[in-house]
This record gives sequence, C-alpha cells and structure tokens, in this order.
Amino acid sequence: QKEVEQDPGPLSVPEGAIVSLNCTYSNSAFQYFMWYRQYSRKGPELLMYTYSSGNKEDGRFTAQVDKSSKYISLFIRDSQPSDSATYLCAMRVQGAQKLVFGQGTRLTINP
Amino acid sequence: EAGVAQSPRYKIIEKRQSVAFWCNPISGHATLYWYQQILGQGPKLLIQFQNNGVVDDSQLPKDRFSAERLKGVDSTLKIQPAKLEDSAVYLCASSSGLSSYEQYFGPGTRLTVT
Repeated sequence: QKEVEQDPGPLSVPEGAIVSLNCTYSNSAFQYFMWYRQYSRKGPELLMYTYSSGNKEDGRFTAQVDKSSKYISLFIRDSQPSDSATYLCAMRVQGAQKLVFGQGTRLTINP
Repeated sequence: EAGVAQSPRYKIIEKRQSVAFWCNPISGHATLYWYQQILGQGPKLLIQFQNNGVVDDSQLPKDRFSAERLKGVDSTLKIQPAKLEDSAVYLCASSSGLSSYEQYFGPGTRLTVT
C-alpha cells in the first residue's frame, strides 16, 4: 500500500465548475499537507499549505485536512481554463523535510 | 529572484551509458533536493543535501546513482550505468533551510533511456 493515494484521473470539467481533488494517506505522523500544481513540462509549484487539521482558503482555492479520516481535499471554485494542470498532494512529518507525493490528478477545464 | 536552474532539459541515451544532470538552486538556499518523477507518478525524493552534507539518501539506488554538492551551491546527479527504468524527469528543488516548508522546483531534466 502506498503511503499517499491519489486518483490519477483524468478529470475534465466545464469552465466555472467547482472542482474537488482528494488524497488519502496511511501515515498518521504526517503533520504538514501541501498541494502543488504542475503544468506540462514544468516543475511543481506550491499552491496551498496546511498544518495539521482544518481549512485554509486562498482566493478560489480551499484546502481541507481531516486527520481523523486521513483525508485531504483541494477545492477550486469558478474554475478557469488556466487551472488545467496536474495537481499533486504532498505530505511530511514533523521535523523532516522529505515530502511524500501522491500520484497526481490531471485536470482539464474546458472553455 | 531567479528560480532553480537545471540542465540539460532533455537527454536521450542508450542503456548502460552514463549521464549527468546539473542543478543551480536559488541563491542562498541551503537545502537542495533531487527527485525522480516517472511518467504518471508523483515525484520521489532521491537525495537531500543541507549545504554540502547529505541529509537523506535512503531512496537513492547507490549502485548506479551518485550525487554531489560541492561548495554547498550547485549539484550534479549522475547515473552510471543507466537502465531502461531510469527513464523519468529528474527534478531539482531547493529551500531556504531545514525549517522552511516551501520547496521551489526547477523545470526538470527529461531522461529517455533506449
């Protein structure tokens, strides 16, 4: 079993839709949760960062962490064609820098 | 602020050949990472440096992969000899220190082994 599981998609939605991306994990020691966005032939860029449980909002993006269920989510509101990319969840334990990534979900927003 | 630079961007080699990748991190960043991203998968950490010392190389296949970070700035990752399964994108990332949560990634080197 992988430490972090993420549905690879692909996911295709119309412009303006609400998008929900999810990851599950097995290591209860994970404390830091991140979402990275990766455009084709580019490196990943940090989108959202959350420590422990709770919600965090940044513009059209909301990250949620439910540690009791070992489940994290990223919501994108009013999705735009420019949001088309692969979204990677990543996690790490307290005191370590090593990131454990999910497989990535390929998202396409259709105009 | 200049980002993480990597070269070459693309490389095609035959199996059993050797190859080297170069990374120049963001100026002042003490921590440097090399990741391997196989097509359709998330990045996997190969090695982490803090200045010029190795912090974590537990997932580096040491029989064929080596990396160094002389003078605590630039880094090179070498594969010798390459196998077909080494075909992947090799990403370099840097962060300002062990306490920093944000890693900045370079564009990667896409390696194809034939």
